[in-house]
Amino acid sequence: DVKVTQSSRYLVKRTGEKVFLECVQDMDHENMFWYRQDPGLGLRLIYFSYDVKMKEKGDIPEGYSVSREKKERFSLILESASTNQTSMYLCASSLTGILDTGELFFGEGSRLTVL
Amino acid sequence: KNQVEQSPQSLIILEGKNCTLQCNYTVSPFSNLRWYKQDTGRGPVSLTIMTFSENTKSNGRYTATLDADTKQSSLHITASQLSDSASYICVVSGTRGGSYIPTFGRGTSLIVHP
Repeated sequence: DVKVTQSSRYLVKRTGEKVFLECVQDMDHENMFWYRQDPGLGLRLIYFSYDVKMKEKGDIPEGYSVSREKKERFSLILESASTNQTSMYLCASSLTGILDTGELFFGEGSRLTVL
Repeated sequence: KNQVEQSPQSLIILEGKNCTLQCNYTVSPFSNLRWYKQDTGRGPVSLTIMTFSENTKSNGRYTATLDADTKQSSLHITASQLSDSASYICVVSGTRGGSYIPTFGRGTSLIVHP
């Protein structure tokens, strides 16, 4: 089974702190994604990556950056956390090429609270 | 702009009853449609996938339908159980540069009462 692991299930940070959310997948997937999920708004794409050291902005990249130094790891960085970044953050991965069916495999989520 | 609309936003039913969730989409070009189930505090998990040529697909007590002409899909849950309480998310994928680009609905929150 595909396993996508997010390093922290719950985090509490203060405004202005730098926050790192880590995501690791063990199935050699090329594609990795970061979403945030808020009540009534559904999942919104922050950033995605189709390859190592490659990244593309999603729908709401402002205030976030990402890093993909290794194929299995995709990190989301909040340079200076703000209260409006309090949310559930979901990492996902998927295959590419002929095996790609578009299925996203999600981690368990990281619930971030910024005070 | 690609959009996926789900209805109802929330639904409460009694255990053992059936229910149907709706999904309307405007995604082009269309590649496939998936229904995901998301338990509280967990990540979404894929239930079914529908391609352009498929009308109906079942996964246990879950049956998904697709009408590609009207761009509508439904997820029917038969003989609901308490464990069906979750958010159900419709995701429609188009393609760009050979990769799938998913567009998410906002989900339907289902609560099954004993």
